[in-house]
Amino acid sequence: GENVEQHPSTLSVQEGDSAVIKCTYSDSASNYFPWYKQELGKGPQLIIDIRSNVGEKKDQRIAVTLNKTAKHFSLHITETQPEDSAVYFCAARGSGYSTLTFGKGTMLLVSP
Amino acid sequence: GAVVSQHPSRVICKSGTSVKIECRSLDFQATTMFWYRQFPKQSLMLMATSNEGSKATYEQGVEKDKFLINHASLTLSTLTVTSAHPEDSSFYICSVPTSGGETQYFGPGTRLLVL
Repeated sequence: GENVEQHPSTLSVQEGDSAVIKCTYSDSASNYFPWYKQELGKGPQLIIDIRSNVGEKKDQRIAVTLNKTAKHFSLHITETQPEDSAVYFCAARGSGYSTLTFGKGTMLLVSP
Repeated sequence: GAVVSQHPSRVICKSGTSVKIECRSLDFQATTMFWYRQFPKQSLMLMATSNEGSKATYEQGVEKDKFLINHASLTLSTLTVTSAHPEDSSFYICSVPTSGGETQYFGPGTRLLVL
């Protein structure tokens, strides 16, 4: 089955800096890669996703890149703000109607 | 995105009792819903796939007789933790996939504490 590795496990940045979280996946048939933000005590919130036919996608301060050859994808947050502090999860979904496999999460702390 | 609700948001119960958690899809019908469990500082672990009109599909290692799932309608799935024990204390989260089955939207979660 699919295996998703996520790094780093924790990331501390200063407000205004950029943050990058990286994930690798094992199943070359995976074709959908969402990113979720989870605040303490809440359910995960979808913040951006990318499909395998696209190499990059951007939505305001967040962007995701995908390298299918290397089987890795990354989340980029620019101009970080304290409210970006949360746990971020990457996930991968195989072809067909299959479930998501999640990474272990990255705790992002943005200091004012 | 889709709106998913869960009830209750938190529950405390005594060991040996059963607890029912509801997951509702508020703005579209869902023939499938997913149930996850999340322990502190850990990732989401899929427990089972809830299927409207048929039996749920459980992940390896998840006891189907302990975690009863009923997909009562196209907008409601329930998870019942039977004979709960302290080790069942966790954060239970449901998710609803879009009609294409790709994107999943999560509920706010239910915090279960078994004393």
